[in-house]
Amino acid sequence: EPEVTQTPSHQVTQMGQEVILRCVPISNHLYFYWYRQILGQKVEFLVSFYNNEISEKSEIFDDQFSVERPDGSNFTLKIRSTKLEDSAMYFCASTGGGFETQYFGPGTRLLVL
Amino acid sequence: AQSVAQPEDQVNVAEGNPLTVKCTYSVSGNPYLFWYVQYPNRGLQFLLKYITGDNLVKGSYGFEAEFNKSQTSFHLKKPSALVSDSALYFCAVRAFRGGSTLGRLYFGRGTQLTVWP
Repeated sequence: EPEVTQTPSHQVTQMGQEVILRCVPISNHLYFYWYRQILGQKVEFLVSFYNNEISEKSEIFDDQFSVERPDGSNFTLKIRSTKLEDSAMYFCASTGGGFETQYFGPGTRLLVL
Repeated sequence: AQSVAQPEDQVNVAEGNPLTVKCTYSVSGNPYLFWYVQYPNRGLQFLLKYITGDNLVKGSYGFEAEFNKSQTSFHLKKPSALVSDSALYFCAVRAFRGGSTLGRLYFGRGTQLTVWP
């Protein structure tokens, strides 16, 4: 069964460093998402991406964040200058259409020191 | 504004007993409702969804959920719990209005289900 994959599974970085989180969505899906879950809190939407552009973003997704689909398979989230409060589990999701189920990857646990 | 509430942080049931995990929602427009399950160190796995039609929807692993529009609820149920059902359960909602979906999901805080033998 096709699934969303994410790399790395864990990343530790120093405050102020740039990180890139990678996702490979399900191959025939067209809509891509990033969510994050700070420890003990609810899963929060960051951004959605369709047709090579951001279709929606939350108030969390400020200028420190960017997304890109550099090729036909990868979908990346970049945090330019990490802050302590960026420590969280980051989930990528994809769906084949706007009405369909979003399927989630296993997540990348980011720790900013 | 869209929001989801899961009023119980924890639900504990004995194996073989029925279980219910509660969810209420608030949306502008018609709701699309989802349940996801998260096992330790794993991602969110889709269980079931309500889009339209029959208020009782059936999903994976014997779970079902009932959509109640008047109570704005979408409780997750299973007639007979298994120890392997122990996990973190998330309710989520998407809004649909004006002929388009707003793609983002709004999640509840999650309910930790523990099934003891």
